[in-house]
Parts: sequence; C-alpha cells; structure tokens
Amino acid sequence: NAGVTQTPKFQVLKTGQSMTLQCAQDMNHNSMYWYRQDPGMGLRLIYYSASEGTTDKGEVPNGYNVSRLNKREFSLRLESAAPSQTSVYFCASRGTGGGLRQPQHFGDGTRLSIL
Amino acid sequence: GENVEQHPSTLSVQEGDSAVIKCTYSDSASNYFPWYKQELGKGPQLIIDIRSNVGEKKDQRIAVTLNKTAKHFSLHITETQPEDSAVYFCAASMPGGGADGLTFGKGTHLIIQP
Repeated sequence: NAGVTQTPKFQVLKTGQSMTLQCAQDMNHNSMYWYRQDPGMGLRLIYYSASEGTTDKGEVPNGYNVSRLNKREFSLRLESAAPSQTSVYFCASRGTGGGLRQPQHFGDGTRLSIL
Repeated sequence: GENVEQHPSTLSVQEGDSAVIKCTYSDSASNYFPWYKQELGKGPQLIIDIRSNVGEKKDQRIAVTLNKTAKHFSLHITETQPEDSAVYFCAASMPGGGADGLTFGKGTHLIIQP
C-alpha cells in the first residue's frame, strides 16, 4: 500500500537548470497538490489539480509549472531553477465525494537544493 | 485568503504530562481543520481532523477542540510519550471553489523530555 510516491528523494541542481519532480498516488484520488516547505514557513500551496485535466495556481506558483498526466500522476516542473527554490517539496492527494471533506495524504517529499 | 497562526513554535513537556497547541484562523468560511504530525525526513501524517459542525473530537490520547466564534482550535495530547516528539501542523480549509488546498500554520516542535 504505497499511498503517495515522490521521486526523486534528493536532488542538487545548478542555477538555470530545469527539472521535473514526479508524484504518483495509488488511492484513486481525484485531487492532487504540490506544496513547498521552508524553515519557519510551514507548507505553502504551489499548484493543485482538482481532477484529471485541470490545474490551478495556489499561493506561490511563480517559477513552476505542473502537469496532471493522468489520474495517478501529477508532476511539478522547474524550468529555470533559482536558489530561492531550494526547499522540500511535498505532493499530496485527496479523495472527493461522499459528502464529507476527505483528508489529504502526503508523500515523503523531495529535498531540492539549487546552487 | 485564509491565514492560520500557530503557537507556540516550540513546546517542551515532561513525559507523561499534557501538551496543548493552539491555532487561530482568519476566514469564518473555513470548515475543515486537520492536524498533521511530521517526523524528521518524512511527510506530514494526519493524526486527527475536525469539521465545523462539531466542537470536540477525541481519539485515544489526542483531542481537538474548535471554537468557531473565536476562530480558534487546539490540539491536546495527554500522557505524552517519547514517540510524540515531532513537529505538529494545524491547517484550515474552506469548502469547494477557489484554491482547494490547505492553509497551514508554521508548525510546533514538540519535545518530550524523559
């Protein structure tokens, strides 16, 4: 029962390089999310996808793009990495329907350093 | 948008004592309030959540209370154990429409002293 799987777990980039962070969930959830976590800042929403085929900006979308490849997969792309994007990135998913709001389930993160 | 304040940022308690973490939120439309525990090197894990139609919820040693009028909610951990040491995050979410994600507090580092 894998839940939410993120790859890679660690990555070091040079300024200006591009990279795609991968996320996959096996819970048949409709909604998926990308957050970044910085020291003393909690988690901040970058982008989300309410369902397959749709994506929307969150609180801090600048410098990022996303793709909801299918129901299982939601990727985050940095086109030209900047040192300010050094962070831990978390993907989450959530089931919908059934009347009550369902909780978000998180992966274990990708630790990204940009030099 | 929603703003969630969390206090304290660090909390140290003796093993066996109780711990209380408090959060306030700004948007009265928020109706879902989860609490997450994050251990070192791991992603946040849901430990308890509460919806705005109830004032309190318990699960063994953990309880959450919600005061909608004052717009604050609290996490209570009783009989603390070493494995409770972690960073705890509160969050708030509004129903449907607009940004569908959670707004998190900045976290509380809970330290259980033996």
